[in-house]
Amino acid sequence: DQQVKQNSPSLSVQEGRISILNCDYTNSMFDYFLWYKKYPAEGPTFLISISSIKDKNEDGRFTVFLNKSAKHLSLHIVPSQPGDSAVYFCAARQGGGSQGNLIFGKGTKLSVKP
Amino acid sequence: DVKVTQSSRYLVKRTGEKVFLECVQDMDHENMFWYRQDPGLGLRLIYFSYDVKMKEKGDIPEGYSVSREKKERFSLILESASTNQTSMYLCAGAGRWASGELFFGEGSRLTVL
Repeated sequence: DQQVKQNSPSLSVQEGRISILNCDYTNSMFDYFLWYKKYPAEGPTFLISISSIKDKNEDGRFTVFLNKSAKHLSLHIVPSQPGDSAVYFCAARQGGGSQGNLIFGKGTKLSVKP
Repeated sequence: DVKVTQSSRYLVKRTGEKVFLECVQDMDHENMFWYRQDPGLGLRLIYFSYDVKMKEKGDIPEGYSVSREKKERFSLILESASTNQTSMYLCAGAGRWASGELFFGEGSRLTVL
């Protein structure tokens, strides 16, 4: 059973508009949530994270919102740029100690059209 | 930042061959991970290691084994490659693990014929 779910396989947005990527999770013991961006034939790169004790974290054009009661998080990109076109993975950390690991969603492919 | 280097970007192997995928990190971090990425399935954890000679199974360990003889090196082994192991393999090292952040290598695209 998937613990981290990204229900939208793809999203298309016009340049300059807002992109909203969504992620749901089932395990209330996750302590950190992260977003990664991946271009084809490259490894994922870290984008932004949020602690489970926060509800918002902002870094430039990227903001992550966490709704613990709904077990839902979202990534907002404002304004969207063509270079943001990539696959975005939501991830959650289980086990904050040395033996922890990250659980990833299936990804959402974002296309930003000029 | 942590630099993670995977030895081969592209490999083509035959069914039944033994395959080694090597990964080296340049920082003194304990945690290292192997994932595979497949279209529509996201990143799935194969194995991880939190110290030298220590290993833990991830979600899909079947058909794989790992070796961690030195802190900087984490190897993934396919004892007898099969066509369903054709995939992109991604190694990661724990960068800022206090906040869950991993640094990934560029990936190894393995094709098993």
